[in-house]
Amino acid sequence: AQSVTQLGSHVSVSEGALVLLRCNYSSSVPPYLFWYVQYPNQGLQLLLKYTSAATLVKGINGFEAEFKKSETSFHLTKPSAHMSDAAEYFCAVSDRGNAGNMLTFGGGTRLMVKP
Amino acid sequence: DGGITQSPKYLFRKEGQNVTLSCEQNLNHDAMYWYRQDPGQGLRLIYYSQIVNDFQKGDIAEGYSVSREKKESFPLTVTSAQKNPTAFYLCASSIGGQPQHFGDGTRLSIL
Repeated sequence: AQSVTQLGSHVSVSEGALVLLRCNYSSSVPPYLFWYVQYPNQGLQLLLKYTSAATLVKGINGFEAEFKKSETSFHLTKPSAHMSDAAEYFCAVSDRGNAGNMLTFGGGTRLMVKP
Repeated sequence: DGGITQSPKYLFRKEGQNVTLSCEQNLNHDAMYWYRQDPGQGLRLIYYSQIVNDFQKGDIAEGYSVSREKKESFPLTVTSAQKNPTAFYLCASSIGGQPQHFGDGTRLSIL
């Protein structure tokens, strides 16, 4: 069975500060990992994905994430927060057999950006 | 542009009533999914379908039903047996090993 834990349901940063959203996963097989972003009353938009190539993955809007097998982590970072980054972020895991098809989601982290 | 269309955006249900949420995609994706989203609980899988005329229960299928008569369409019915239907419902689709693509959701409330 797979599971995802996102530490911190709410994270608040100042505009221009580093964004760090934490994600730890549990999987019995090497996983595929994803970060999605959700703006209010909208669906989920893919930010980035890890599928066993480079461990440092770059996504849209300046976000990146690093896969660390020893720590079973896939934390999302951005060097400098913008007001437009305020949204909810979801980490998700899928086993390699199903690639991106069957996802298990974390509980989400709401990012607030202060001016 | 290709995408997933969910309708309506807002829906109200009376006690004892069944309601159907629409999900249509023009991405030519084989697989489609329905999720329920509640605050602080992430997304939970209700039903999924990997091929026309076939679908499987997800983690929280009780009180819901689906059909997959066409590749493009995967409607979800919230039945009167679902005692706590108030939530945000998201439909998604995927093909092969590609990540799931999501619609903009339907918010269901009880009158």
